[in-house]
Amino acid sequence: DVKVTQSSRYLVKRTGEKVFLECVQDMDHENMFWYRQDPGLGLRLIYFSYDVKMKEKGDIPEGYSVSREKKERFSLILESASTNQTSMYLCASRIGGQTNTEAFFGQGTRLTVV
Amino acid sequence: AQTVTQSQPEMSVQEAETVTLSCTYDTSESDYYLFWYKQPPSRQMILVIRQEAYKQQNATENRFSVNFQKAAKSFSLKISDSQLGDAAMYFCAYTSLNNDMRFGAGTRLTVKP
Repeated sequence: DVKVTQSSRYLVKRTGEKVFLECVQDMDHENMFWYRQDPGLGLRLIYFSYDVKMKEKGDIPEGYSVSREKKERFSLILESASTNQTSMYLCASRIGGQTNTEAFFGQGTRLTVV
Repeated sequence: AQTVTQSQPEMSVQEAETVTLSCTYDTSESDYYLFWYKQPPSRQMILVIRQEAYKQQNATENRFSVNFQKAAKSFSLKISDSQLGDAAMYFCAYTSLNNDMRFGAGTRLTVKP
């Protein structure tokens, strides 16, 4: 089974802190994604990566950056956390280059910025 | 950018009955896939069913089926013989060859015993 693992299930950080959310997948998937999930807004794409060191902005990249130095790991960075970044963050991965492959999700990280 | 719209924030169904969840999307692409994902309470998102845009035949997976209307850009999910375990958030998703994947706002399904 594909496994997508997010480093933390729950996280509490202070305003202004630099926050790292880590995601690791074990199936050699090319594509990896970071989404933010908020009630009534669904999943909004923050960034995605279609290969190592490659990244594309999603719909809401402001205040976030990403890093993909190795194929299996995709990190989301909040340079200076703010209270409006309190949310559930979901990481996903899938095989690249094809449209029919499903995405596999991590368990989510619920981030609270105080 | 492509958009995915789910206009029903909440739906409920009686156990053993049938329910249909709606989804519309907007795209100028010709090659794409549509998906329905399920997110049970406090659990990971999982795939329910997928549909290729080039296939006219509607996809079916056991009690789950879709009604894909390409011209109308509509992709609804029908759940037959609803079970208590079907209670979850359901998300419609779109993907194309540019590799990204976009989701709708979700529909929370309640199943009443």
